[in-house]
Amino acid sequence: GAVVSQHPSWVICKSGTSVKIECRSLDFQATTMFWYRQFPKQSLMLMATSNEGSKATYEQGVEKDKFLINHASLTLSTLTVTSAHPEDSSFYICSAAGISNEQFFGPGTRLTVL
Amino acid sequence: QKEVEQDPGPLSVPEGAIVSLNCTYSNSAFQYFMWYRQYSRKGPELLMYTYSSGNKEDGRFTAQVDKSSKYISLFIRDSQPSDSATYLCAMSAGSNYQLIWGAGTKLIIKP
Repeated sequence: GAVVSQHPSWVICKSGTSVKIECRSLDFQATTMFWYRQFPKQSLMLMATSNEGSKATYEQGVEKDKFLINHASLTLSTLTVTSAHPEDSSFYICSAAGISNEQFFGPGTRLTVL
Repeated sequence: QKEVEQDPGPLSVPEGAIVSLNCTYSNSAFQYFMWYRQYSRKGPELLMYTYSSGNKEDGRFTAQVDKSSKYISLFIRDSQPSDSATYLCAMSAGSNYQLIWGAGTKLIIKP
């Protein structure tokens, strides 16, 4: 199957700082990328959908100014958590989809905000 | 009522048993049905992908879709301790890629 990587795999930061998470499709071109967050023992919650070269579409309740998404190329999308606070601590997972309808997931990034 | 219902478990079975995992849904527009396996602190891994109704088999895994009952299943034969994980069902209508997720069932295979 297709491979999607995320970097970093975990990050600890101080409250008020910004954190950038990268998502890369390594062996295919991802026309669409998705960002999810997952709290412990809960399912994935879609945050936003992004298509290469256009603005991301955010789900209801997700602050677009706080969670900045840039889908710079067909293999790279970034999520920046701006002015992070402890309540932003979560497991952030990206997925990528090519011309088929299958989504391939990255390994996730665990964010801890102190 | 949630669009997709999935029993969170945990479901604990002995090694070698046949495991049955299920999801029900309410949106008749769903056409694509997926099962993902997620180990602790890892991203989900696609196990099975089915379009419309019917069965699909891949090794020890069989996925079934019954659109008339709005019910999907994942069967695992000869279950192994390494199958212990959370299994998530997901589905979509197809046109906009958005997946609607079940809550995930935690599966424990006891040696």
